[in-house]
Amino acid sequence: NAGVTQTPKFRILKIGQSMTLQCTQDMNHNYMYWYRQDPGMGLKLIYYSVGAGITDKGEVPNGYNVSRSTTEDFPLRLELAAPSQTSVYFCASSYPSKLEGEKLFFGSGTQLSVL
Amino acid sequence: QQQVKQSPQSLIVQKGGISIINCAYENTAFDYFPWYQQFPGKGPALLIAIRPDVSEKKEGRFTISFNKSAKQFSLHIMDSQPGDSATYFCAASMSGSARQLTFGSGTQLTVLP
Repeated sequence: NAGVTQTPKFRILKIGQSMTLQCTQDMNHNYMYWYRQDPGMGLKLIYYSVGAGITDKGEVPNGYNVSRSTTEDFPLRLELAAPSQTSVYFCASSYPSKLEGEKLFFGSGTQLSVL
Repeated sequence: QQQVKQSPQSLIVQKGGISIINCAYENTAFDYFPWYQQFPGKGPALLIAIRPDVSEKKEGRFTISFNKSAKQFSLHIMDSQPGDSATYFCAASMSGSARQLTFGSGTQLTVLP
């Protein structure tokens, strides 16, 4: 019953460094998402994927890249980290269901600081 | 731009009281309105959701009221408990968009014992 697993939980980066936030889900969901959460701003969609090999930009994609080679994994890549990317990052997955609605399952988040 | 405006930013309620959080949206193409609950250090979790073909949905102590003509919806928490203290987000999405959720800015609810 792992659900959506994110690693790492915390990370501090220096300006200009790169890193990959890992996300994996074991529910066989087609849809996966990356959100960032900033205080008082709610959650903003960075990228999403409707299936392996298919990704698309969300509201705030600049400075990020994603890939989806398998149904389970959806890593988020930060290139040339900037202080503006200091945030809490959440990965989520869902499946389309007319009966239950589109319920998103979120991971526990990665708190990233760029100094 | 698709927006969902949420108020208040923070709310303090006495145990047993009613907590009310309001949201307003602009895009009339939205057809799914969930509320998510988030505890510190955790990811958001779906609490309750409504579609615009009904004006109210109730699950236990939680009720969504929906006003399609006003483009507003609200969450009512009856008999609020200290364990309800969390951040609540309203959201909206439309069909055909891979269910991209547009979230409100969140309300931090504190229920005093």
